[in-house]
Amino acid sequence: DTGVSQDPRHKITKRGQNVTFRCDPISEHNRLYWYRQTLGQGPEFLTYFQNEAQLEKSRLLSDRFSAERPKGSFSTLEIQRTEQGDSAMYLCASSLEVSGEAFFGQGTRLTVV
Amino acid sequence: SQQGEEDPQALSIQEGENATMNCSYKTSINNLQWYRQNSGRGLVHLILIRSNEREKHSGRLRVTLDTSKKSSSLLITASRAADTASYFCATPKTDSWGKLQFGAGTQVVVTP
Repeated sequence: DTGVSQDPRHKITKRGQNVTFRCDPISEHNRLYWYRQTLGQGPEFLTYFQNEAQLEKSRLLSDRFSAERPKGSFSTLEIQRTEQGDSAMYLCASSLEVSGEAFFGQGTRLTVV
Repeated sequence: SQQGEEDPQALSIQEGENATMNCSYKTSINNLQWYRQNSGRGLVHLILIRSNEREKHSGRLRVTLDTSKKSSSLLITASRAADTASYFCATPKTDSWGKLQFGAGTQVVVTP
């Protein structure tokens, strides 16, 4: 499968714990995006990488959130000291061209209890 | 606030009928994209229409774009139960690395 893959698909964690999600984009795509989606809403932009450089972060991304793309390939999104409000679907997408078609992974659904 | 706003929020139709949903946006764009999302899954790209195009077809999908009204429509013809999903329009922010701005979507239910 050469699409965008995300791991894990589901994560249940207790409030205050740290969680880390992984995204493997399509191999030739140098652009990688993270989005967050809550029930009944469209995805909201979190952060953007071009190769290994994190070029933009949304104000939604508090200090508890950090994302990396160390070698310009896979990316990780870490949430520290999780809160119930962090419960959402976290989506990763990659693209080849700026403003072009984005390819999304299946998402990681986070539930904070 | 989100760039795209879809209308209606929900649509229920029977198999074989056509489904039409609309999207309005606020700022100038270089393209507009439509995505589909099945429940609990990721988004799948359906079609991209550029700002200099007025209409585009892909299979049973027809998209129109009216830049003067800042609106787009997605028509699904001869709908099937498998078309049941949420549909989102998205516009890439031209001054911000092409990040997509989504509306809240239209939830379409197609009953057999």
